Amino acid sequence: DAGVTQSPTHLIKTRGQQVTLRCSPKSGHDTVSWYQQALGQGPQFIFQYYEEEERQRGNFPDRFSGHQFPNYSSELNVNALLLGDSALYLCASSSGQVISPLHFGNGTRLTVT
Amino acid sequence: AQKVTQAQTEISVVEKEDVTLDCVYETRDTTYYLFWYKQPPSGELVFLIRRNSFDEQNEISGRYSWNFQKSTSSFNFTITASQVVDSAVYFCALSEWDSGYSTLTFGKGTMLLVSP
Repeated sequence: DAGVTQSPTHLIKTRGQQVTLRCSPKSGHDTVSWYQQALGQGPQFIFQYYEEEERQRGNFPDRFSGHQFPNYSSELNVNALLLGDSALYLCASSSGQVISPLHFGNGTRLTVT
Repeated sequence: AQKVTQAQTEISVVEKEDVTLDCVYETRDTTYYLFWYKQPPSGELVFLIRRNSFDEQNEISGRYSWNFQKSTSSFNFTITASQVVDSAVYFCALSEWDSGYSTLTFGKGTMLLVSP
């Protein structure tokens, strides 16, 4: 039973560029959430997708956008990258039907230079 | 607004020592969930426990135990007879009704270093 998978593992981008991160949820899960974890900090909620729509959003600018596909996988897009966007981006999946713990992937380490 | 405070930034112990990680939370909701996650160097957040605000019973799972006290808004985590493999960053987190209990507010984490 595959858990949450994220790609790529690491990514280096230049300020001003755009990036797309990908996530496949755990089997049986239909809800995907994205978190940003800066170095030495706890993860911060970016947004959540359920039934291919953004259901909730944290305090992040519109440069951060996402998408969920019919197979429940998801993408996180960040435009006009800033140095401060450098972080570990974590994807988490859960079931939208029950209150269940989030299952996290290993994350994508994004470095913006 | 909800908030989770983990005052201990880093704790160092020697193997076999007991260690307690503190967590204090703030919420206006009467119904909420509290969590502990472990983050090893690989980066993945590993779920350890979830506790409903109506269930104040302490819980023990092997060497792990949790003490939930609503009166002090605390949800502390104790590792008994620590092992080197326990070395990781531990996060306490809170979810509330307005998110459908599906999003988490994390503390800043406590790094635990267990030396042989």
